[in-house]
Amino acid sequence: DTAVSQTPKYLVTQMGNDKSIKCEQNLGHDTMYWYKQDSKKFLKIMFSYNNKELIINETVPNRFSPKSPDKAHLNLHINSLELGDSAVYFCASSQGLAETYEQYFGPGTRLTVT
Amino acid sequence: AQKVTQAQTEISVVEKEDVTLDCVYETRDTTYYLFWYKQPPSGELVFLIRRNSFDEQNEISGRYSWNFQKSTSSFNFTITASQVVDSAVYFCALTMDSSYKLIFGSGTRLLVRP
Repeated sequence: DTAVSQTPKYLVTQMGNDKSIKCEQNLGHDTMYWYKQDSKKFLKIMFSYNNKELIINETVPNRFSPKSPDKAHLNLHINSLELGDSAVYFCASSQGLAETYEQYFGPGTRLTVT
Repeated sequence: AQKVTQAQTEISVVEKEDVTLDCVYETRDTTYYLFWYKQPPSGELVFLIRRNSFDEQNEISGRYSWNFQKSTSSFNFTITASQVVDSAVYFCALTMDSSYKLIFGSGTRLLVRP
C-alpha cells in the first residue's frame, strides 16, 4: 500500500490555466506538507498543515492555495499558472513536529507549464 | 538564519570506492535536528537518518555512516564500498526545536560507476 500518494504524476498545461494536485496519506499522520523542487533539485517547503490547520506558509504567491478537507488529504490548487511554476511538487506527511518524526514523501508531481 | 550547505554538487566514483558527502549547517538554536534523505533516479525521497544536536555519537548502518561534529557544524555522510544502486541525489536537512519545517541543502548528486 502506498503511504503517501499524489495525483497526477505528470501534469502538462499552458500558462494561465488553473490546476490542482491531490495528495493523500494513509499513515494516520497529523501533519502534511507541500514542497517544491526546482530544476536544480533545490527543495523548499511551501505549506504545512497540522490537523487541517495551516501552520506554515512560506512566502508563496497567493496563486497557490492549499486545501485540507481532512487530515488524510492536502490538495494544492494553482491559479493562473506561470512558466516559473514548472517544477516537481512533493507532498509529505509526518506524525507531528519535524524534529521528532520522519517525514514521508510522496512520489512527486512533475508540473510543466508551456 | 538557518541554512544547510552541501558544497559538492556532483561526485563520481567507481564501484567499491568509499565516498563522503559533506554537509555544513548554520543555526543559532541550541536544539536542532539534522537529517539525510536519498533521492534515487526514480524521484522519491527516502529518509536515511535523523540526529539531534545533543547526540554527537557517530552512527553506522551497514555501509552507511554519519559523522556529526558540532565544533565544525558538520554532519557528513560516508558510504563504504559504494555500489551502483547508491547512485542518487543526497540531501542534508535541518530543523529546529518545535518546528514543522525542514530546511534542505541543495543536494549532492552521487554517481557510482561500475
